[in-house]
Amino acid sequence: DAMVIQNPRYQVTQFGKPVTLSCSQTLNHNVMYWYQQKSSQAPKLLFHYYDKDFNNEADTPDNFQSRRPNTSFCFLDIRSPGLGDAAMYLCATSGARKETQYFGPGTRLLVL
Amino acid sequence: RKEVEQDPGPFNVPEGATVAFNCTYSNSASQSFFWYRQDCRKEPKLLMSVYSSGNEDGRFTAQLNRASQYISLLIRDSKLSDSATYLCVVKRGGGSQGNLIFGKGTKLSVKP
Repeated sequence: DAMVIQNPRYQVTQFGKPVTLSCSQTLNHNVMYWYQQKSSQAPKLLFHYYDKDFNNEADTPDNFQSRRPNTSFCFLDIRSPGLGDAAMYLCATSGARKETQYFGPGTRLLVL
Repeated sequence: RKEVEQDPGPFNVPEGATVAFNCTYSNSASQSFFWYRQDCRKEPKLLMSVYSSGNEDGRFTAQLNRASQYISLLIRDSKLSDSATYLCVVKRGGGSQGNLIFGKGTKLSVKP
């Protein structure tokens, strides 16, 4: 019954070592989002894909990249993680009207 | 000024109490409004949409005042299981335009 799946649930990486987080969906939704959420903060949208169209938020650092090879999968690549990148990373999906979003359980990233 | 502002709380209430959360938004172009619930260290989940005429779902009542750019959520007869953070969410633009903007959330703790 899982609809939005994120792997891994916990990721530990070293300062500067590239890391990839993955997200998959069984909802066949057009839109997939990546959010960063730090403790007691609102989820912050990094970017989203509307089908194959990539939409980056203006304040998302270049250190964050994304790939969507097909409808079901989307990846978040952090090229050189810094200590400030430690956070929960949430993947979400929505239909074409981009209203109700369905979130995955998140990947908690720790940078050592 | 944040686009979506909420009282961060925490609100500590006894079981059975009625509690109200407020939210204001700054962008008059906002088209759709929602309340999401986020349990500790979990992903946000849609609680309810907010309609112009106000709407109710069991013990939960949401109100929208477009003129004042104000949204509220009322929880009656609080249960221990209502303990969570409640996120006010607005969508700029209609249809496929715009993305969801999340508030930081109001934390609710319901005590026995």
